[in-house]
Amino acid sequence: QVQLVQSGAEVKKPGASVKVSCKASGYTFTSYGISWVRQAPGQGLEWMGWISAYNGNTNYAQKLQGRVTMTTDTSTSTAYMELRSLRSDDTAVYYCARSGRLDAFDIWGQGTMVTVSS
Amino acid sequence: EIVLTQSPGTLSLSPGERATLSCRASQSVSSSYLAWYQQKPGQAPRLLIYGASSRATGIPDRFSGSGSGTDFTLTISRLEPEDFAVYYCQQYGSYPWTFGQGTKVEIK
Repeated sequence: QVQLVQSGAEVKKPGASVKVSCKASGYTFTSYGISWVRQAPGQGLEWMGWISAYNGNTNYAQKLQGRVTMTTDTSTSTAYMELRSLRSDDTAVYYCARSGRLDAFDIWGQGTMVTVSS
Repeated sequence: EIVLTQSPGTLSLSPGERATLSCRASQSVSSSYLAWYQQKPGQAPRLLIYGASSRATGIPDRFSGSGSGTDFTLTISRLEPEDFAVYYCQQYGSYPWTFGQGTKVEIK
């Protein structure tokens, strides 16, 4: 079946980096893109950016520009999201979701908890 | 950036009742690229509606979406026990893609 499986929970210190993976299966990886969405504890959903798995084109939320990098590895059907210079307010559950260039997010990963704490 | 404002913040209803959730955009959402998601505690969001009014695969027909331009509505015709959750609208027609702040539908 179509699914996205994310890497496990992470605990990082302020200033460090984190890289979350999202492995796709059950569909042609390069026919869609992957969006990343985060949710701070008790808060709503925040879109972080989108990457095309076809050609690697990206579009990032302006507030994260310069700190976030999204990549894909088509040989393993895996998307990655790296966030640098972590702060306490980056503590959140990070989700990947399948979406085309102008598509809603129809398949979601299970989420990865990232905790930033000294 | 298109700001989406959902109302009400919380909706207290009983099973079997009708739920009407609103999502208002600060500017027109192009080509009705508006989606609705349901999220239960500890779970990832689930796509309910895309293109403002099309139900996603496997979504019961008690869920319906309507609207265009700046005003959109999600209607749940008869609430089932499993429908009590938080609902988010999202626009994906222009960058940055944005979400509303959510409406919680709770049991009265």
